Amino acid sequence: GQQLNQSPQSMFIQEGEDVSMNCTSSSIFNTWLWYKQDPGEGPVLLIALYKAGELTSNGRLTAQFGITRKDSFLNISASIPSDVGIYFCAGTMDSNYQLIWGAGTKLIIKP
Amino acid sequence: DGGITQSPKYLFRKEGQNVTLSCEQNLNHDAMYWYRQDPGQGLRLIYYSQIVNDFQKGDIAEGYSVSREKKESFPLTVTSAQKNPTAFYLCASSLDGPWGYGYTFGSGTRLTVV
Repeated sequence: GQQLNQSPQSMFIQEGEDVSMNCTSSSIFNTWLWYKQDPGEGPVLLIALYKAGELTSNGRLTAQFGITRKDSFLNISASIPSDVGIYFCAGTMDSNYQLIWGAGTKLIIKP
Repeated sequence: DGGITQSPKYLFRKEGQNVTLSCEQNLNHDAMYWYRQDPGQGLRLIYYSQIVNDFQKGDIAEGYSVSREKKESFPLTVTSAQKNPTAFYLCASSLDGPWGYGYTFGSGTRLTVV
């Protein structure tokens, strides 16, 4: 099945740093979702985006639905230890309402 | 509290055995899903069900079977035909169907072949 291109695959950051990750596709999406997965748990929805150009925040997290509808970005400001985990993007296309997943970005905070 | 319960948390299977993973939800959601997660990969859809007594194959259904006899329950059987079953299995549900809004996930079952 089709997957989204999510990058980077992993990130090593210092506590307090800002983080950016993105998802891209060659196809147009009509919904973008960002999830976080803690080790040994299921993903939890962070932010949902429904319109091109939409910018939505959830605390220190901000996500944007790209204007071209082919990409989305997630930013985390002032990272803290509990931000570690795997962040997944996911989306739906007009032609197929199945949820399509990126491979995830693993966030690791340097001690 | 409403949610999805997966059991067991850890499961060990011998070669050639069938095993069944449990998934129960009390969210009154119509749709339920099974995903497989391997290290470094995204979630891959095994089966989904939009309504009781109906289910559809996902991208990697071979070697798996499901049933949906009750709205609350969507068990997954990993059969001996699945050649590489070691993985983390996630069950999810949603109110509105497969178009991605408001998925709620369980805590997963880690299956290991010994």
